[in-house]
Amino acid sequence: DTAVSQTPKYLVTQMGNDKSIKCEQNLGHDTMYWYKQDSKKFLKIMFSYNNKELIINETVPNRFSPKSPDKAHLNLHINSLELGDSAVYFCASSQYSGAPGTQYFGPGTRLLVL
Amino acid sequence: DQQVKQNSPSLSVQEGRISILNCDYTNSMFDYFLWYKKYPAEGPTFLISISSIKDKNEDGRFTVFLNKSAKHLSLHIVPSQPGDSAVYFCAASAGAGTYKYIFGTGTRLKVLA
Repeated sequence: DTAVSQTPKYLVTQMGNDKSIKCEQNLGHDTMYWYKQDSKKFLKIMFSYNNKELIINETVPNRFSPKSPDKAHLNLHINSLELGDSAVYFCASSQYSGAPGTQYFGPGTRLLVL
Repeated sequence: DQQVKQNSPSLSVQEGRISILNCDYTNSMFDYFLWYKKYPAEGPTFLISISSIKDKNEDGRFTVFLNKSAKHLSLHIVPSQPGDSAVYFCAASAGAGTYKYIFGTGTRLKVLA
């Protein structure tokens, strides 16, 4: 009964490939997020969806495309992977109430691009 | 331009003593702050929060202090335990109408037995 789950946990792939990471939350939250933690350990927000609507889209290359089929799921598809995409990607969710609310994070997906 | 800074990348403390983790911010619009704890190979887990209408919030061994004039907050852990060894992130948001938090770079706390 994990609150926020991500698959896969590890992903090793070649440059140029396309890959997807899936995220699901069972907390009943209406807002979901994708964060990237790079080698310098910065946790930077990439995208956020509220009720399946994109509300945050930081300066992320358009090779990254989030998709939210419903409130409980937010997937991240990455086209033409590059070496610099290697990082840990965290999904999170919260209940928005006029302010972000406490965010609950998934365990992370460790992406290594060779 | 890092709006939330944790200037100490690491901190070592003896078990039973107080751990003080610091966080500075530059955006005066920030009005809600959180602390997260992160173990290796896991996602960050929420620890404690504070709103700008308060200057202190306490939860068991964890207390967060907010000094708005100095744009500074700190997390106190008393007494520190070996299980507290983790990376601690502070995060800030500009409150109503915003959806995102800005995270600091983290401080690695090591509690020595």
